[in-house]
Order: sequence, then C-alpha cells, then structure tokens
Amino acid sequence: AQTVTQSQPEMSVQEAETVTLSCTYDTSESDYYLFWYKQPPSRQMILVIRQEAYKQQNATENRFSVNFQKAAKSFSLKISDSQLGDAAMYFCAFPSFGAGNQFYFGTGTSLTVIP
Amino acid sequence: NAGVTQTPKFRVLKTGQSMTLLCAQDMNHEYMYWYRQDPGMGLRLIHYSVGEGTTAKGEVPDGYNVSRLKKQNFLLGLESAAPSQTSVYFCASSYASPGLALFEQYFGPGTRLTVT
Repeated sequence: AQTVTQSQPEMSVQEAETVTLSCTYDTSESDYYLFWYKQPPSRQMILVIRQEAYKQQNATENRFSVNFQKAAKSFSLKISDSQLGDAAMYFCAFPSFGAGNQFYFGTGTSLTVIP
Repeated sequence: NAGVTQTPKFRVLKTGQSMTLLCAQDMNHEYMYWYRQDPGMGLRLIHYSVGEGTTAKGEVPDGYNVSRLKKQNFLLGLESAAPSQTSVYFCASSYASPGLALFEQYFGPGTRLTVT
C-alpha cells in the first residue's frame, strides 16, 4: 500500500530565514512523481513543486527546492528567504500508477512565518 | 480558462437532506476526483472517474454517489446527509498519461458543507 507521512504537524520560521518540511513515502513502484502542494487560508490547493523520481537532480522553483532521496524514500521541501505569504498548510502528495492516477496525501504541515 | 470550478462554495444541510455538488473543468482532462478534507487528516479520496461514463470508489466512498455524464462535469451526491459528512470537499482533475509519467492534479476552490 502507498503511504505518505509528514511528521511535523506545525513549523515556524522567521521571515527571510530558511525552513525545511519533511515528507517520507512508501511505494513499490520504481518510476513516479512526487508533489508539494500549498494551501493558504483561502483553501485553494496550489502546486508548489514536482519531482520526477528517475531524475537525479533535485527540483527547484525560485525559492522552493526539494531534497529527494530515492533510496530513503524521502522528499523534503526547503523554502528559502521565507515570506509572510508562505504561511500555509503544505501537503506532500504521491500519485499511484494504479487505475485513475490516485493521489495519496500526507496529513500536512502548518507553516507560520514570524515577521 | 476557468480551470476547475465548484458549485456551491458553502452549504448547510439538516440531517437526512440530500444535495449535489457540481464540479466542472474546461481543460479537457480525462480524470476527475472528489476529495474530502478534515482537520488533521489531509485529503481523502471519495470517488474518481477515468473518463466520461465511468466512476470508481476511492478510500471513503460510503454515503456518497457520483456521476460523470459529460467529460467536463463530475457530480457528487449525498442522498441522506449525516453530521459525519461535515467537511470541506474538493474536486480535482488531471490528464490521463499514456505512459508512466503522471501529471499533477488541478483543484477547485472547495465547498464547505455543514450538516446539522
């Protein structure tokens, strides 16, 4: 069975500092994508970054980057130069190759940015 | 291009009442999904569809029914609402990949449902 675990229910970071959110997953598949979604107070789910498992290079999107450790099944999100607008719930998501491209979501990490 | 839209945004029901949530997407996606989000539990899949006229059960399907009569629409129905169905409901859609690569899901803005 596929599982996604986010072990940090809450995190806080000072504005302009760097924070890392953790995610681990379990799968028997060899090729897959991993995603981080952001959910601000507006509730809208926003894609932050995606990682393709067959790529060695860690994905980067502006201030957001991942540390992908395939053997350890770890997929952490690093936010650099944190801004007040980064405050949100962050969900790690893992899609299954089973019928329907089902996503498995972690329980989320609530990030607070301190001015 | 509106993406994924959901109707209504808020609804309050009494126990035993029925309602239908409508999801529409204009991206010509094959796959569509209904999730519920409860505090501390992330998103859980209720039902999904891999194409027009098809539906399948997800992780928490009990008490819900769905229909996909048109490719762009995916309806979620509650026949007899219960307080346990108080939640935020999200619709999502995605491409159907011909290969192993799977694409991200695009989400609607959510519907907050309260059952009293």
